[in-house]
Amino acid sequence: AQSVTQLGSHVSVSEGALVLLRCNYSSSVPPYLFWYVQYPNQGLQLLLKYTTGATLVKGINGFEAEFKKSETSFHLTKPSAHMSDAAEYFCAVSSSQAGTALIFGKGTTLSVSS
Amino acid sequence: EPEVTQTPSHQVTQMGQEVILRCVPISNHLYFYWYRQILGQKVEFLVSFYNNEISEKSEIFDDQFSVERPDGSNFTLKIRSTKLEDSAMYFCASRVGGQLMNTEAFFGQGTRLTVV
Repeated sequence: AQSVTQLGSHVSVSEGALVLLRCNYSSSVPPYLFWYVQYPNQGLQLLLKYTTGATLVKGINGFEAEFKKSETSFHLTKPSAHMSDAAEYFCAVSSSQAGTALIFGKGTTLSVSS
Repeated sequence: EPEVTQTPSHQVTQMGQEVILRCVPISNHLYFYWYRQILGQKVEFLVSFYNNEISEKSEIFDDQFSVERPDGSNFTLKIRSTKLEDSAMYFCASRVGGQLMNTEAFFGQGTRLTVV
């Protein structure tokens, strides 16, 4: 079985500060890992994904995440937060062996203050 | 830009009533999904649909739920007799096909279902 834990339901940062959203996963098979973002009144949008290969993946809007197998983590970072980054962020796991369903974490709400 | 559309955005229904949530996936996509998120909880997978049949479903997707692609464009989720605990945001998603690593799932804006 696969699962995702997102540490911290709410994260608040100042504009220009580092953003770090934590995600740990559990998977008995090699995982595929995703970060989705949801802006108010919109659907889920893919930020980035890790499947195989390079463990540091870059996504849209300056976000990146690093797959660390030894730590079973896939934390999302952005060097400098912007007001427009305020949204809800979801980490998700899947694998080709487990079928195509995504297993999501609870989500982390990011607030950015000026 | 093509998008997945869901209607209605918010539906209120009485307990025990049937409800149908509607989705129009992106036109050339082959895989369709329903997920739900109960307030304050995780986004949960319900069911996936491919080639006019269910390809995968979760434990949540019991006999009260059904999906259909009635006309080649719409993809619906029916809940036969709603319960209070069915209150949630329901997301529809679709993707082109192939292995997940090659194609992303596109999500709709969601339908908020409130059962009273």
